[in-house]
Amino acid sequence: QITLKESGPMLVKPTQTLTLTCTVSGFSLNTLGEHVGWIRQPPGKALEWLTLISWDDNKRYNPSLRSRLTITKDAAKNQVVLTVTDMDPTDTATYFCAHRMPGNDYGKYNFDYWGQGTLVTVSS
Amino acid sequence: SYVLTQPPSVSVAPGKTARITCGGDQIGSKSVHWYQQKPGQAPVLVIYYDSDRPSGIPERFSGSNSGHTATLTISRVEAGDEADYCCQVWDSSTDHVIFGGGTKLTVL
Repeated sequence: QITLKESGPMLVKPTQTLTLTCTVSGFSLNTLGEHVGWIRQPPGKALEWLTLISWDDNKRYNPSLRSRLTITKDAAKNQVVLTVTDMDPTDTATYFCAHRMPGNDYGKYNFDYWGQGTLVTVSS
Repeated sequence: SYVLTQPPSVSVAPGKTARITCGGDQIGSKSVHWYQQKPGQAPVLVIYYDSDRPSGIPERFSGSNSGHTATLTISRVEAGDEADYCCQVWDSSTDHVIFGGGTKLTVL
């Protein structure tokens, strides 16, 4: 059974760096074809894809946030880490990590399992 | 960048059929996925690859995709179907995941 769980601070100050951890179980981050992504959702607004990382460390970033995002993984710890620099009140959102449905075709990319999400508020 | 357009809201009476659209340039050439999200919960995949259902999703949920519009259809709508629904594709021109703006389904 695949599960994902986000952890990290609930409150950060403007200009600080946010670090969130996604701890996964039920699959290995080093297994061929496995991917994990981060998605966020401001209160009352739509989902926004942030980034993804593949089993072979291939990474993709939302171009509008590219300069502020970093995604890494530690397969031994079953963790995927997201860092967001220079946080702003507009970054207040629930941050989700999610598992990609296995497949070879990026054109069919989707997320079949999601973490519960963690609400991060940016305020001084 | 690629844009997915959804109506902000759709209303339907119980027992009737709800259709939620997702518009995009030549979206028919892409694989579309749909998520259901209830308040305070994580999204749940309800349709993938345009029209496939994950295990556990009722047959009342179906999907289609052609031309510039993909459609999520919910037959015999129940009160428990009230939720936000969001479409998603992979934009191969930029190698990015794209989400639609979401549609709030209200069961009257």
